[in-house]
Parts: sequence; C-alpha cells; structure tokens
Amino acid sequence: SQTIHQWPATLVQPVGSPLSLECTVEGTSNPNLYWYRQAAGRGLQLLFYSVGIGQISSEVPQNLSASRPQDRQFILSSKKLLLSDSGFYLCAWSVGQKNNQPQHFGDGTRLSIL
Amino acid sequence: ELKVEQNPLFLSMQEGKNYTIYCNYSTTSDRLYWYRQDPGKSLESLFVLLSNGAVKQEGRLMASLDTKARLSTLHITAAVHDLSATYFCAALIQGAQKLVFGQGTRLTINP
Repeated sequence: SQTIHQWPATLVQPVGSPLSLECTVEGTSNPNLYWYRQAAGRGLQLLFYSVGIGQISSEVPQNLSASRPQDRQFILSSKKLLLSDSGFYLCAWSVGQKNNQPQHFGDGTRLSIL
Repeated sequence: ELKVEQNPLFLSMQEGKNYTIYCNYSTTSDRLYWYRQDPGKSLESLFVLLSNGAVKQEGRLMASLDTKARLSTLHITAAVHDLSATYFCAALIQGAQKLVFGQGTRLTINP
C-alpha cells in the first residue's frame, strides 16, 4: 500500500532563518506531488505541484521554493522565513492523469515563526 | 479562473438532525472531491465524484454532483457527534493536475 511521510511534525523558527520540509511517498511510482499551506481556521492554498522529477509549478509568488530531486521526494524550502510563513504545511500525492483517485495527504508540518 | 464556494461556512446542529452542505464552483469541472479534517489533523478523503449525477454514500454521509448546475452537495443524515469536523470540497481544474479547494464548512454536532 502507498504511504506518505512528512517531517518534521512541528517546527518553530525565528524570522529570517532558512527552512526545509521534506515529503516522501512509498509504494507508488511517478506520483503527482503537491505542497499546500493552511492558515489557522482557513482553507488550503496550493503552493507548488510537480508531475515529474525536476518539474515544478509555482502557484503563488513568495519566498518559498520547491524541488523534486527524486521521483518520490518533494522538498519545500526557504532562504529567509517571514512571519507570514507561519501555518500548517501539507504535502499530498496523487496518481494518474485522469484524476479518478483523490489526493492523499501527509500528516502535515505545523510551522511557527517567531 | 475556477473558484469554489461552500456554504454554510459554520454549521451547528443537534444529533439526529439532517443537513446539507453546498459546494458551488464557477467554471466547468468534471471531478469533485470531498474531504474531512479533524482539528489539528490532516485531510482525509471521503468521496470522489467523477461524472454528472454521481452519488456516493458512506454511512451517514452522501455526496452528489450536478455538473450542469456546477453544484455538489454533502448530505448528513441523523447526525452523530463523531461527524463533527471541517468538511472541504475541491474541484479539479480542467486540463490540469491541480485542485481548487472551498473555504471549508466547520460542522459542530451537539448532543
């Protein structure tokens, strides 16, 4: 069966510090991968998605970046965090081009910026 | 640009009652998804609706899709406290591999 791992679960970082969040998927090949952010009490905002290694689509211009160095690994990064980067970051995966299956979400990383 | 709107955004109801959450989307989409989120947790997939007229049921929850009206509904029958959560709908952007989520409906079921 397929599983998705996200870490860390919780992170507290000072303003201006770098960030690296990692997501890996097991049990499937060539998944579509996604990074979302959810502000407290709000909906999901799509940040990046990838349909293959090295292919990254950015949805929101900001100080975050994403990379996909391996087929089932998706990394979210920042060089200098802002207060507004606080939130709940969720990684998700899906398979196929027909979208007949849902996106499956990891457990999330709760990021607090001080 | 695809926009997805849910209503109501907040819903407080008593156990045993029935209610419906509505999800409207602004442009053509033929895939509609429903998710549940418990406080502090991630999203759990509930239903995938693939075509006009699709209806799916799981326990006390039933979801339907009307692509002509650009409307999906999530109906709750004889609510129980365990169904308290935030429910999100999401529509697929035609020709793309990405979803647009609604704002979520926070459902509280009181004993």
